[in-house]
This record gives sequence, structure tokens and C-alpha cells, in this order.
Amino acid sequence: ETVMTQSPATLSVSPGERAIFSCRASQSVSINLAWYQQKPGQAPRLLIYSASTRATGVPARFSGSGSETEFTLTISSLQSEDFAVYYCQQYNNWPPLTFGGGTKVEFK
Amino acid sequence: QVQLVESGGGVVQPGRSRRLSCAASGFTFSSFGMHWVRQAPGKGLEWVAFISNDEINKYYGDSVKGRFTISRDNSRNTLYLQMNSLGPDDTAVYYCAKEAEVPFCDYWGQGTLVTVSS
Repeated sequence: ETVMTQSPATLSVSPGERAIFSCRASQSVSINLAWYQQKPGQAPRLLIYSASTRATGVPARFSGSGSETEFTLTISSLQSEDFAVYYCQQYNNWPPLTFGGGTKVEFK
Repeated sequence: QVQLVESGGGVVQPGRSRRLSCAASGFTFSSFGMHWVRQAPGKGLEWVAFISNDEINKYYGDSVKGRFTISRDNSRNTLYLQMNSLGPDDTAVYYCAKEAEVPFCDYWGQGTLVTVSS
């Protein structure tokens, strides 16, 4: 099973600042990695797939990069609606699909 | 627009069974694989099961293998999850999710809460 590790667990950011999240895979997943955003009480929402492709309707301030085992999600200028939990998920070595533990973005 | 609506959650006694449903609309249901993903209270996301569009391929997470069964009825645009021998660790919000053309989830339902408790 490919273990996905996200860091940090919590990120304290002020609106307008840049937020950078890390996701590491225990083995290569090529670029078969997705990022999801989840707000309290809501379902996850797809942000990024194929490591760097924004899903439909996702603002340009969200960007993804990386390959193999190291991935990054960047929010260039954090907006109030971006405070949420972010999960990475690999879909290269499956089943099983595996998610990271999540990074919570909180108000600084 | 794509809509996924789960139902069937509730309080279940340990050892009992429950069937969840997910009604799909806004896309050609019979053309896409579907997933169940769960989230225990205050925890992260855990993949549960997958079924291909034609029902030929079915995969399960280790924690539910042998107890849960995924199925679908393409004529009714509905996905199911039959859950047997439920235990406290199965307490979670269960989401159904549509597979994109590769196995990430591009649309999610709002989830249904299953609480296993006596």
C-alpha cells in the first residue's frame, strides 16, 4: 500500500499570504495525484488532478506541482473561503486508493 | 449538473447490517466507475470500495473486505453499499463519489452518517 504523508498537520496563515502544503508518497505515484479541499460539514471538493491540473472552476491561485514521491499544493494569496482541510490522494498504485492525513489551514 | 445523493444512514447496533444508496443524476451513470469513501468523526478520508461502470471490477479496502459489498443498478442510476457485521470502527460519514476517467473522484455526494452503537 502506498502511504501518503502530509505536512504540516496545521498551517496558520493570514489572508493574502501564500500557503504551501506538502504531500509525500512512500513510493512513486508518477503524477497520479489529486488534491481535495474540505470545509467543515461539507463533502470534499476536487481541486487538482494529475498533480498540476486544476479542476473545472478552481481559481488560478491554486497550483499543484511535483512528481514521483514529492508534491506541493500552493495557494498564492489566501482568501477567507480557503480556510479548510486539504487532502492529497494517489491513484497510481491501487487498489487501494490512499489519502494523506490532511493539512488544516487556520486563521493566524 | 452532477448530483449524488446518499441515503440509508442512521444508528445501527453492533453486528447488524445496513445498506446505503446513492442516487446519481446529471451524467451518464452507466459510463463511470463509482467509489465509496468514508470519514470517521474528526478524522481523515478512507477509501472503502470501488465498482467499475460495468460491474466487472470491484475492489475493497482491507478494513471492510469480506463484510461490505458494493453494487450498482445502472437502470436506476443508483449505487449501493451493503454493510454487514458492523462495528464501532465503521462509524463514519459515507460518501459516494464519481470516478473521473481515471480513478480520482471528481464529484462527491454530501454523505450519510452511519453510527454503530448499542
